[in-house]
Order: sequence, then C-alpha cells, then structure tokens
Amino acid sequence: SQKIEQNSEALNIQEGKTATLTCNYTNYSPAYLQWYRQDPGRGPVFLLLIRENEKEKRKERLKVTFDTTLKQSLFHITASQPADSATYLCALEGSGGGADGLTFGKGTHLIIQP
Amino acid sequence: NAGVTQTPKFRVLKTGQSMTLLCAQDMNHEYMYWYRQDPGMGLRLIHYSVGEGTTAKGEVPDGYNVSRLKKQNFLLGLESAAPSQTSVYFCASATNSGANVLTFGAGSRLTVL
Repeated sequence: SQKIEQNSEALNIQEGKTATLTCNYTNYSPAYLQWYRQDPGRGPVFLLLIRENEKEKRKERLKVTFDTTLKQSLFHITASQPADSATYLCALEGSGGGADGLTFGKGTHLIIQP
Repeated sequence: NAGVTQTPKFRVLKTGQSMTLLCAQDMNHEYMYWYRQDPGMGLRLIHYSVGEGTTAKGEVPDGYNVSRLKKQNFLLGLESAAPSQTSVYFCASATNSGANVLTFGAGSRLTVL
C-alpha cells in the first residue's frame, strides 16, 4: 500500500540555521509533491509544489527538492526564525490522479529556538 | 474573500446523537474534501466530491455521510455519533485544473462523550 513517512520526532533548530525536513514515500509514482504548513488550531496552508520533472523549487527562504529515484523530498528553510515554528506536512496525490484528494504524511513539528 | 468556512468550530455530542458539519467555499472550486485529523494519525480523507451532485468515499468513510447539493457547499453528517469520531475535521477545496492544491478551512473540533 502507499505510504508516506516524515520524521515524527520534533526537530529543534537554532535561529538562523537551516532546517531540513524529510519526506519519504513508497509505492507511489506521483506526478507532483506538495508541502503544507500547519499552525496549532488552524488548517494546513499550502507552501510549495514540485513536479516529478523538477529537481528543485525555491520560494523566498524555502527550498524543496524531489528525487523520484530515492522516492524522497527534502524541505529546507534557510535563515530560520522562531516564526517558522510549526508542523510541516508532505502530501502526494492519491491513486486517482489528484481529484480524489491528497494523502498526507503525519508531519514534522519544527521548533526554531531563539 | 472568505475562502473555506466551516461551521460549527466546536461541538460536543453524546453517543448516538446526530449532527452535520457545514463547509462553504467562495472560490468556485469544483473539488471538495472532508478530512479528519487525530494525534499520531495525521490527516485522513473521509469523503470527497469532484462536482455538484457527486460524492465518493475516501480512506475512512464508515459512520459518515456527505452531500453536495450546491457547488459551494459540502456537508458532512454523523447519523449516530461514536466516541471514535472525536476528532478535528477539516474541509478543503481545490480547482479542477492543474495540480490539486488544497485550500483548507480552519477546522471543526468535535467531541463525542
């Protein structure tokens, strides 16, 4: 069955450093992969999407890589700030090609310490 | 532009009671989804709809029913609530063009006693 794995333990990073989060998947051949941010008591918010033919995508201090051979995506936040503290979710399209929703990883809780 | 609005935000039910969660979106999105989020389980898809008048089952549909009578609304019903349905419920919507980027509501926290 399809499976998405994210580091379930909280990730503690010192302010100013680069935070790197990992998303691994099995039994998928996704056309694209997405990252969302979720703050406590709120719904997830879309951050970035990367397609299978793209190796890397950037948006301001965020960078996502996508290795379809390793079946892995890395999500980087450079020059991290305490305001970046949140849970970050990786998501892949379902077997129905996208219309049937996304399957989410359980998320990694990121804590940026001042 | 409100995006995706869920009502109610909080609700406490007794076992066996029924209730309906309402999701409304003002972005003219074709696709709508109901997820539940539980500690340690992540987001799981309950039901979804690819257009007005259509619904389909997701990963965890048992104990829930849905309806999409109007394009902008997606209702999630619990006919006989059980403690196992205590959760935070999120509605999301997406366009039917390109990649399926989801816009989520703020969530509805349901407790079943």
